[in-house]
Amino acid sequence: EDKVVQSPLSLVVHEGDTVTLNCSYEVTNFRSLLWYKQEKKAPTFLFMLTSSGIEKKSGRLSSILDKKELFSILNITATQTGDSAVYLCAVGGGTASKLTFGTGTRLQVTL
Amino acid sequence: DAGVTQSPTHLIKTRGQQVTLRCSPISGHKSVSWYQQVLGQGPQFIFQYYEKEERGRGNFPDRFSARQFPNYSSELNVNALLLGDSALYLCASSLQTRANPGQGREKLFFGSGTQLSVL
Repeated sequence: EDKVVQSPLSLVVHEGDTVTLNCSYEVTNFRSLLWYKQEKKAPTFLFMLTSSGIEKKSGRLSSILDKKELFSILNITATQTGDSAVYLCAVGGGTASKLTFGTGTRLQVTL
Repeated sequence: DAGVTQSPTHLIKTRGQQVTLRCSPISGHKSVSWYQQVLGQGPQFIFQYYEKEERGRGNFPDRFSARQFPNYSSELNVNALLLGDSALYLCASSLQTRANPGQGREKLFFGSGTQLSVL
């Protein structure tokens, strides 16, 4: 059975701090790893990674995948209160477009 | 452009009742998936439909069923509701194509969900 484990489960930081969120996975026929941000209801897409060692960046957010060690990290630099959310890691495998999600990391950024 | 739209946004039902949730994908997206998210957990896969055919089913009982219409919108039906069915039901669409079925199908775009409460 496919499995995704995220750590830490929750995190409280001060505005301006840098955070690293972790995601490890076990999946049959790995195809991709995705990160989503969930503030209220709809998870919003951040990154999709398919190749090892290639960093994806979008502003203050970046992510990298290690397919050998089966993990990914999401970095957020110079955090802002608007970054407060649950960050979900998901992996896709097999033939369907099914994603297996982790429990998420709840990030709270305080002033 | 409109994103994935779901209706209703909230729903309260009692045990044993039946419910139908609706979803319209992003224009041009032919694949629709349904996920259940229980409070404090990540979304869990229920179904995927592509071009009106079921392409994947998660570990959910037969009380859960779905279908996709010619315009690619979708409905999720849950019969004989249990208290444990209380959750946020998320619909997602993706740009899966017949020419390149492997590309883009996992990049899901989610709607805001239907919050179902079973009393």
